[in-house]
Amino acid sequence: EDQVTQSPEALRLQEGESSSLNCSYTVSGLRGLFWYRQDPGKGPEFLFTLYSAGEEKEKERLKATLTKKESFLHITAPKPEDSATYLCAVRSGGGADGLTFGKGTHLIIQP
Amino acid sequence: NAGVMQNPRHLVRRRGQEARLRCSPMKGHSHVYWYRQLPEEGLKFMVYLQKENIIDESGMPKERFSAEFPKEGPSILRIQQVVRGDSAAYFCASSPGQGNYEQYFGPGTRLTVT
Repeated sequence: EDQVTQSPEALRLQEGESSSLNCSYTVSGLRGLFWYRQDPGKGPEFLFTLYSAGEEKEKERLKATLTKKESFLHITAPKPEDSATYLCAVRSGGGADGLTFGKGTHLIIQP
Repeated sequence: NAGVMQNPRHLVRRRGQEARLRCSPMKGHSHVYWYRQLPEEGLKFMVYLQKENIIDESGMPKERFSAEFPKEGPSILRIQQVVRGDSAAYFCASSPGQGNYEQYFGPGTRLTVT
């Protein structure tokens, strides 16, 4: 069974204080690792897809990286508007066609 | 609006009633997924559909839940004889298919069963 574990569950940072969020996964044949951002009361917003170990993608202050067992979402010099829950999900080669999600990291950026 | 559309955004049903949730995928997308998000839990996959076909319903409860994606019109998630435990946020996502499985989510329907 596919499993995704995100840490920490919650993270509070000062504006400008860089950090990383972790996503550890166990899948039978990775066919994609996805990062989403979710604001309260809204649907997840797509951020990145990573397919193979060593791959990296960037968007503004966010950078996602992938190894064979985990992914990191690095946040550089965050701003209060980066406050949200960040979700990690995997699509595997076996089992369901849907994504398996972690429970997310609730990020708060204080001004 | 080129995004995934869901309606209603909020739905209140009494126990035993039926709930119908609708999802219109992004333009050009032919694959639809339904997920459920319970309070304090992560998103859980329910069902994956293409036009007129259920491809994978491994996450769908065996009873009372059904889904369809007709040739014309939106995808429908139907919950019969709702119970309090069905109260949750239901999200629809769509993807283009053809090797691209990035899923884009709608705003969700918040179902409350009283």
